[in-house]
Amino acid sequence: GEDVEQSLFLSVREGDSSVINCTYTDSSSTYLYWYKQEPGAGLQLLTYIFSNMDMKQDQRLTVLLNKKDKHLSLRIADTQTGDSAIYFCAERSYNTDKLIFGTGTRLQVFP
Amino acid sequence: NAGVTQTPKFQVLKTGQSMTLQCAQDMNHEYMSWYRQDPGMGLRLIHYSVGAGITDQGEVPNGYNVSRSTTEDFPLRLLSAAPSQTSVYFCASSYSADREAFFGQGTRLTVV
Repeated sequence: GEDVEQSLFLSVREGDSSVINCTYTDSSSTYLYWYKQEPGAGLQLLTYIFSNMDMKQDQRLTVLLNKKDKHLSLRIADTQTGDSAIYFCAERSYNTDKLIFGTGTRLQVFP
Repeated sequence: NAGVTQTPKFQVLKTGQSMTLQCAQDMNHEYMSWYRQDPGMGLRLIHYSVGAGITDQGEVPNGYNVSRSTTEDFPLRLLSAAPSQTSVYFCASSYSADREAFFGQGTRLTVV
């Protein structure tokens, strides 16, 4: 079955880069996503990458995909206090219509 | 444009009670789903629907029922609440399975 794993916590200094990692098991994943959840709110899509790509950049966000190792990462450049949130990676399997989320990484940005 | 609306926002139930969590979307999305969020476990898929009249089980369906009689609504029913169902519940919808999912604000459920 599908399984998506993330580390639970990451703490960075304001202005540094943050790298949030994710591993998944479903080799038939077609789309991989990064969602952000702010306190007391639902999730919002940050960015996504197709499985036939290995990198996607969107302003301060860079997504790297290593399909061989089933490893996805999200890099946030010049991290700001407003980036403090929980970040979820998610995969959409080719074989099913399920959107499966990881455990979430809580990013804390300190001055 | 309201997006995805969940009601209620908060609910306390006694063990054994039943209730329905409501979810409605006004974006004409075909795909809708229910997740529960628990500390350290992320979001786990309970049930999902690819269109009116079609539902399927997710990762943790036991203790929950769903139906999809209209495109707009996707209620989640707890037939006999248990303390293990204490969680935050999120409903999501998307145009299709691979498009961006839009989430409601969540329902915080406590079962005592």
